[in-house]
Amino acid sequence: NAGVTQTPKFQVLKTGQSMTLQCAQDMNHEYMSWYRQDPGMGLRLIHYSVGAGITDQGEVPNGYNVSRSTTEDFPLRLLSAAPSQTSVYFCASSSTDNNEQFFGPGTRLTVL
Amino acid sequence: GENVEQHPSTLSVQEGDSAVIKCTYSDSASNYFPWYKQELGKGPQLIIDIRSNVGEKKDQRIAVTLNKTAKHFSLHITETQPEDSAVYFCAASLAYDYKLSFGAGTTVTVRA
Repeated sequence: NAGVTQTPKFQVLKTGQSMTLQCAQDMNHEYMSWYRQDPGMGLRLIHYSVGAGITDQGEVPNGYNVSRSTTEDFPLRLLSAAPSQTSVYFCASSSTDNNEQFFGPGTRLTVL
Repeated sequence: GENVEQHPSTLSVQEGDSAVIKCTYSDSASNYFPWYKQELGKGPQLIIDIRSNVGEKKDQRIAVTLNKTAKHFSLHITETQPEDSAVYFCAASLAYDYKLSFGAGTTVTVRA
């Protein structure tokens, strides 16, 4: 199993540009989520999904959209990037059998 | 929502000594407390977790203790080794809620 994969690893955007961060998992996990990691602030939940077709907001959802059309994929969209969205983004997945969340390797995003 | 505080923010220990990281949480309903280790350039990885029905859990050189009355939990690493150098995060959530609230992280450096 590849586990949780994320693409791209690095991305530089200009203010106002849009992009999609990709996340996929091959463990048939029902639960998937997106976090952002900023220095001194730990990881903060952006959006999450408990299954295909179901998404909900986390702690810091503004400026981000998500969809979950399949069990495997959970893309995160930035419609109009802002410098405040410069961060490292992690995708995670979990089975509903237990709480253990598996994290991807992260995407480092810089918005100029 | 849940607020998790973590101390210290940095910790330097001599190889072979013990390391202790402490976290407090605000929501008395939280009952799942995982600890994650993050190595440079990688995503967080679960190293141990504890649920509210137990007060202590051990796995080789690492242990976690939980005091629900005081709403705090701690990570103990004994006989530290250079490979223990990393950033450690505590987190809290309701069991099977999947929405983790993270502490700000502790950078542990093990000196040879």
